[in-house]
Amino acid sequence: GAGVSQSPSNKVTEKGKDVELRCDPISGHTALYWYRQRLGQGLEFLIYFQGNSAPDKSGLPSDRFSAERTGESVSTLTIQRTQQEDSAVYLCASSLTVGPYEQYFGPGTRLTVT
Amino acid sequence: GENVEQHPSTLSVQEGDSAVIKCTYSDSASNYFPWYKQELGKRPQLIIDIRSNVGEKKDQRIAVTLNKTAKHFSLHITETQPEDSAVYFCAASIVGSARQLTFGSGTQLTVLP
Repeated sequence: GAGVSQSPSNKVTEKGKDVELRCDPISGHTALYWYRQRLGQGLEFLIYFQGNSAPDKSGLPSDRFSAERTGESVSTLTIQRTQQEDSAVYLCASSLTVGPYEQYFGPGTRLTVT
Repeated sequence: GENVEQHPSTLSVQEGDSAVIKCTYSDSASNYFPWYKQELGKRPQLIIDIRSNVGEKKDQRIAVTLNKTAKHFSLHITETQPEDSAVYFCAASIVGSARQLTFGSGTQLTVLP
């Protein structure tokens, strides 16, 4: 079946502009995660959605970052007033929560802030 | 919250040799430990995982061992091949909980031909 998809695959934006990144999880996956990965670095957790529970926003680096998810479907990550340090690959992953627990990652959105 | 430390950050081995990557975790309640492989420019993919009710799991050339008492787990790759070159991430979580997976910082493995 279809895996996790993300759009756009690449986004170049000017400093100060807002951007919206989209993630389509695998159908039936109740858990959805957003990560940031700077060049040559590890996976930085941003936010976690689990079913209808309140999201775990503990990883969001500032109030310029926000995310939404409608039910168990699409999620959008919004970055307002982008800064150059926001340049990174933003990865989305989804998983089941009753096993198996593998996180399936999307291809990522490469964000470049000029 | 959970803290996962991973060592080494870089590892070079000769083709055919073994590679070992180690991780420690802080929360004794963690009971699920996956390993992900990320090839250059690609997304991370699960290669093996282990639950805390077993001490070792093998899948062909890859094995993971877990020491619950010491709170550490390791990835072992035998008979390494150039295609094993990638970044490997360990992680820890509690299955069935709302807590998200905590990843280690990654190990860049290079297999030299």
